[in-house]
Amino acid sequence: AQKITQTQPGMFVQEKEAVTLDCTYDTSDQSYGLFWYKQPSSGEMIFLIYQGSYDEQNATEGRYSLNFQRARKSANLVISASQLGDSAMYFCAMREGRTGGSYIPTFGRGTSLIVHP
Amino acid sequence: GAGVSQSPSNKVTEKGKDVELRCDPISGHTALYWYRQSLGQGLEFLIYFQGNSAPDKSGLPSDRFSAERTGGSVSTLTIQRTQQEDSAVYLCASSLAPGGPDTQYFGPGTRLTVL
Repeated sequence: AQKITQTQPGMFVQEKEAVTLDCTYDTSDQSYGLFWYKQPSSGEMIFLIYQGSYDEQNATEGRYSLNFQRARKSANLVISASQLGDSAMYFCAMREGRTGGSYIPTFGRGTSLIVHP
Repeated sequence: GAGVSQSPSNKVTEKGKDVELRCDPISGHTALYWYRQSLGQGLEFLIYFQGNSAPDKSGLPSDRFSAERTGGSVSTLTIQRTQQEDSAVYLCASSLAPGGPDTQYFGPGTRLTVL
């Protein structure tokens, strides 16, 4: 079973509008971390935002916010006021709180976002 | 300080040849990861180094793949007797320490093409 599911292979949004990229996860751990990365066409993975499973507040970083719903096991990324430069692949990842110190994040298959002018 | 660097940025090789890919992590980062990303796909975990602990090799797809990390810093991923299915972008990432945010910072990747 996939641990990270991104159901939207492609999304389109008009410049200056908000967009939500979906991510659901599967874990039996109580302690885990959730990440979003952006991968533009240049190929480099760029860290965007992190949410810890015990964090009370939803994480925010500038125009990025993470809509964390623990009971639903979802960690959707919200990008407000989209810009043309936001066009990229977006990956959701989870790092489980394994015993023994082996923290290896699992990545989803990604969502391609295209921002139209 | 500098980010994660990888070399070469592109590598074209013939089937059956050996290749070495290099990763230089962020100074002070104790954790180092190698991933493989095939065209249009997500990231496939290969190997993980943490400090002086034995590496987690559970993601290596075959015994043709190996990696080492010298002095807790630079890492080399070696692919022996390359096959066409090895063609992919190989990404390296480092992080400060496990636990907490444990944010991974990625290098630009090495694009490997096996002819």
